[in-house]
Amino acid sequence: DVKVTQSSRYLVKRTGEKVFLECVQDMDHENMFWYRQDPGLGLRLIYFSYDVKMKEKGDIPEGYSVSREKKERFSLILESASTNQTSMYLCASSLTQNTEAFFGQGTRLTVV
Amino acid sequence: AQKITQTQPGMFVQEKEAVTLDCTYDTSDPSYGLFWYKQPSSGEMIFLIYQGSYDQQNATEGRYSLNFQKARKSANLVISASQLGDSAMYFCAIPVRGSARQLTFGSGTQLTVLP
Repeated sequence: DVKVTQSSRYLVKRTGEKVFLECVQDMDHENMFWYRQDPGLGLRLIYFSYDVKMKEKGDIPEGYSVSREKKERFSLILESASTNQTSMYLCASSLTQNTEAFFGQGTRLTVV
Repeated sequence: AQKITQTQPGMFVQEKEAVTLDCTYDTSDPSYGLFWYKQPSSGEMIFLIYQGSYDQQNATEGRYSLNFQKARKSANLVISASQLGDSAMYFCAIPVRGSARQLTFGSGTQLTVLP
């Protein structure tokens, strides 16, 4: 069974903290994505990666960075967390453009 | 730029009845694919069905089918014989033009199945 695993379901962090969200996939997919989901806004792409050490900005990259040192792992980093980064974060991976993306279970991050 | 519109923020359906969730899109790509995902309250996004723009027939997958009208740029999801477990958010998505990999999502429809 294909699997995308996010390291945490729920996180509470303080303003100014550095936050790491980890995502691992076991499908040998080239493409990995980080989305943010907020009520009424759907999913918005933060960053994606199409190969090890390769990354591209999505629609809302400000305040975030990413790291992909190994094919199976894609990390989202909040350098200095702020309250407006309180959200649900979803990681996904896919093989190609016309194949489905598989999603992790999501991380609900609260910044206080 | 690609745009996806889901005009129904919330829908209700009686158990065992069919329901149609609307999705319209705007793309200038000659070839594209459309995806539908389901998101239960647990949070995970679950892939449901895919339609290629050049597919001759509407996609079906169990109780899910697509009413794909290419000229109207609509790809409505039809769920037959609704079940209580179908209560969830439903999103349609289309690849971003010029990107081999990104998807852009609609704002979603919250479906509630009533017993």
